[in-house]
Amino acid sequence: DTAVSQTPKYLVTQMGNDKSIKCEQNLGHDTMYWYKQDSKKFLKIMFSYNNKELIINETVPNRFSPKSPDKAHLNLHINSLELGDSAVYFCASSPGRDTQYFGPGTRLTVL
Amino acid sequence: AQKVTQAQTEISVVEKEDVTLDCVYETRDTTYYLFWYKQPPSGELVFLIRRNSFDEQNEISGRYSWNFQKSTSSFNFTITASQVVDSAVYFCALSEARGANNLFFGTGTRLTVIP
Repeated sequence: DTAVSQTPKYLVTQMGNDKSIKCEQNLGHDTMYWYKQDSKKFLKIMFSYNNKELIINETVPNRFSPKSPDKAHLNLHINSLELGDSAVYFCASSPGRDTQYFGPGTRLTVL
Repeated sequence: AQKVTQAQTEISVVEKEDVTLDCVYETRDTTYYLFWYKQPPSGELVFLIRRNSFDEQNEISGRYSWNFQKSTSSFNFTITASQVVDSAVYFCALSEARGANNLFFGTGTRLTVIP
């Protein structure tokens, strides 16, 4: 009965490749997010999205794009991967502006 | 602009000691929410508590307690009688009522409980 799930858990890829990370929530929440945790453990918002609005953190390169096929999913697509993209990516969801619940994280390593 | 400061980078305590993790925040909003999350060595982020800016009552949940003081913009977290399972990185976070419901995190405090 996983609440917020992400796949894959680990992703190792070469520079320049395009990859996707999937996120699904079964909590019935209407808002989903992507956060990036860098090697120093710092967590930073990348996107927030509900069925009406996508809000992008202005510091996120446009190589990153969220795609939501339906209310329960928010996938993260990354084009032309760079070494600096190596991090742990967390998906989260919330009912409106209430508490956010996080997925287990995806560790991305770019070689 | 919003900011969350966790000045303690790492803390080590011996099991059964009490420990307090500090969190100081900055925001221009009058309505905001404060959170604590736990990140154990396994890596997931576990929600611990959410408080809104209008509720300054302290809260206790088992061995955990939280002290919210608007006058000092602080939201400190105390673990009583610490246990080895409490070893983790603890993050304080802030969200504002206006704009997107994004969490702004502090840099985290790594707590190590020594048996």
